[in-house]
Amino acid sequence: AQSVSQHNHHVILSEAASLELGCNYSYGGTVNLFWYVQYPGQHLQLLLKYFSGDPLVKGIKGFEAEFIKSKFSFNLRKPSVQWSDTAEYFCAVRETDSWGKLQFGAGTQVVVTP
Amino acid sequence: DGGITQSPKYLFRKEGQNVTLSCEQNLNHDAMYWYRQDPGQGLRLIYYSQIVNDFQKGDIAEGYSVSREKKESFPLTVTSAQKNPTAFYLCASSVGGYLEAFFGQGTRLTVV
Repeated sequence: AQSVSQHNHHVILSEAASLELGCNYSYGGTVNLFWYVQYPGQHLQLLLKYFSGDPLVKGIKGFEAEFIKSKFSFNLRKPSVQWSDTAEYFCAVRETDSWGKLQFGAGTQVVVTP
Repeated sequence: DGGITQSPKYLFRKEGQNVTLSCEQNLNHDAMYWYRQDPGQGLRLIYYSQIVNDFQKGDIAEGYSVSREKKESFPLTVTSAQKNPTAFYLCASSVGGYLEAFFGQGTRLTVV
């Protein structure tokens, strides 16, 4: 069965620091890739997505992610975080031949200190 | 405003009772989903529905049931057969099965 691994469960960093969250998946076929964010008390929101084309994807709020097919990875990055980036981040993967079935990673709790 | 409404936000039930969680969407999406979120485990798919009157089991369907009588509604029943029902439940919808999903605010169910 396909699995999605997020490398860090908790990350604490200071404002203006750079952020990189790792995501690896196990499925060998074609996939659609997503990063979602859950701010405290809010619903899960889409940060960015990759379906095809340029493997470097830009999303909202200055986030970007790079799809490296050979490494089965889709890492999320932000060059300079803000306190408002404190949230839980989820990587999600869907096999293109698997209708509707998004597989989520366990999530990474990011805390940005002032 | 278009979106997904889950109610109630918090729900308490006694062990052995069935409980139904509501999910309504006005996005005109065909596909709807139920996920369960537990700390450190991410989101796990319980059930999903591609169209009205059709639904499929996800990865952890045991102890749950759903119905899809209307396009905009996809209620989830947590039955007494669910061994560990206390969790955060998220409903989602999407245009089709291959695009991004949009999520509701969630219902936190506590069974005592």
